[in-house]
Amino acid sequence: DGGITQSPKYLFRKEGQNVTLSCEQNLNHDAMYWYRQDPGQGLRLIYYSQIVNDFQKGDIAEGYSVSREKKESFPLTVTSAQKNPTAFYLCASSTGLTSSPQHFGDGTRLSIL
Amino acid sequence: GQQLNQSPQSMFIQEGEDVSMNCTSSSIFNTWLWYKQEPGEGPVLLIALYKAGELTSNGRLTAQFGITRKDSFLNISASIPSDVGIYFCAGRKGNMLTFGGGTRLMVKP
Repeated sequence: DGGITQSPKYLFRKEGQNVTLSCEQNLNHDAMYWYRQDPGQGLRLIYYSQIVNDFQKGDIAEGYSVSREKKESFPLTVTSAQKNPTAFYLCASSTGLTSSPQHFGDGTRLSIL
Repeated sequence: GQQLNQSPQSMFIQEGEDVSMNCTSSSIFNTWLWYKQEPGEGPVLLIALYKAGELTSNGRLTAQFGITRKDSFLNISASIPSDVGIYFCAGRKGNMLTFGGGTRLMVKP
């Protein structure tokens, strides 16, 4: 089945540690996105990529980094510079056409130990 | 970044009742999308609206793209317990989405 796979489902980070969240899609989508969701709030854009080897900062990119070496993969690293990383992280993808909606993975919940 | 104004923030209704929620913005969007999110999962697309004035249905769900392109509403008719979840609107410009804060729907059997 085609879809977006995020892993792990739950992740714990120690103080001062970098962690990487995985996002893989087999939909042949060009565009991929990372969002952060805090309790009771909507989604805020962290980073997005419209094509392989290119990515752009979203509204809340500080303390995060990404790479887009392959079309199907868009990993997100939460660095130690992100002082409040506890949140639900959602990855999405779309064909990149303006008429194409974004489809989401099932998310990764990150917590601080 | 801007967020859309989505209301109400939460609703607690009796099974069988109709539900209405809406989103407004000071900006114009080219597309309006409505998603549903259940606990611990990602949002699932319910309805996509592409033209001002467009009225689209998906089963018991009906959504409209406002004429001004600055608002949209979602109606759910004859609610059932599995309608429980958080409903998000999203407005799109180009490939970028701006999300509302969500409407948490609770249905009493």
